[in-house]
Amino acid sequence: DQQVKQNSPSLSVQEGRISILNCDYTNSMFDYFLWYKKYPAEGPTFLISISSIKDKNEDGRFTVFLNKSAKHLSLHIVPSQPGDSAVYFCAASANSGGSNYKLTFGKGTLLTVNP
Amino acid sequence: GAGVSQSPSNKVTEKGKDVELRCDPISGHTALYWYRQRLGQGLEFLIYFQGNSAPDKSGLPSDRFSAERTGESVSTLTIQRTQQEDSAVYLCASRGALEQYFGPGTRLTVT
Repeated sequence: DQQVKQNSPSLSVQEGRISILNCDYTNSMFDYFLWYKKYPAEGPTFLISISSIKDKNEDGRFTVFLNKSAKHLSLHIVPSQPGDSAVYFCAASANSGGSNYKLTFGKGTLLTVNP
Repeated sequence: GAGVSQSPSNKVTEKGKDVELRCDPISGHTALYWYRQRLGQGLEFLIYFQGNSAPDKSGLPSDRFSAERTGESVSTLTIQRTQQEDSAVYLCASRGALEQYFGPGTRLTVT
């Protein structure tokens, strides 16, 4: 039973346009969400996060939106650059109540930004 | 500053052999995690260490898997009697505040 789902295995966009990566979750106990970026043969790199008390967090070209009622979050990259081409993982944790902050990951979306 | 390091980067072993994977976390990070990523899958939680507390082993897939951590430093993940389904990238992460920072992983191939 996948608790974090990334339904698009891949996404291709043109340089300069917006990339939108989507993620759905089922566990209502999740209260902290993260996006990681992964290049081949490297470990995942933390990109941006959002707490469930917020609905938006922005960091430069990256913005994460959270819709708690729909149990949905998305990562917007604007403008997209060829160097953004990587696998993007959505992850969630249930941090309240003394949790160990362990992450549950989606399967990832391969983003390709074409020059 | 130095990030999380893991060794070896690649390991090929024969079915039935034991393997040991090493993780050096970021200095000062008290929390350490092991995950694995099998082909085409997301990362799966294996085990969590926090200071001197008892580790959370709830993600270990079988009793062939074990891990140790010396204080707040190095951790080793041991897989005994490896099976082909153990083939995966094994990733270590350490946590400061809320975010986990990952090492490059060890790619394990069991032949």
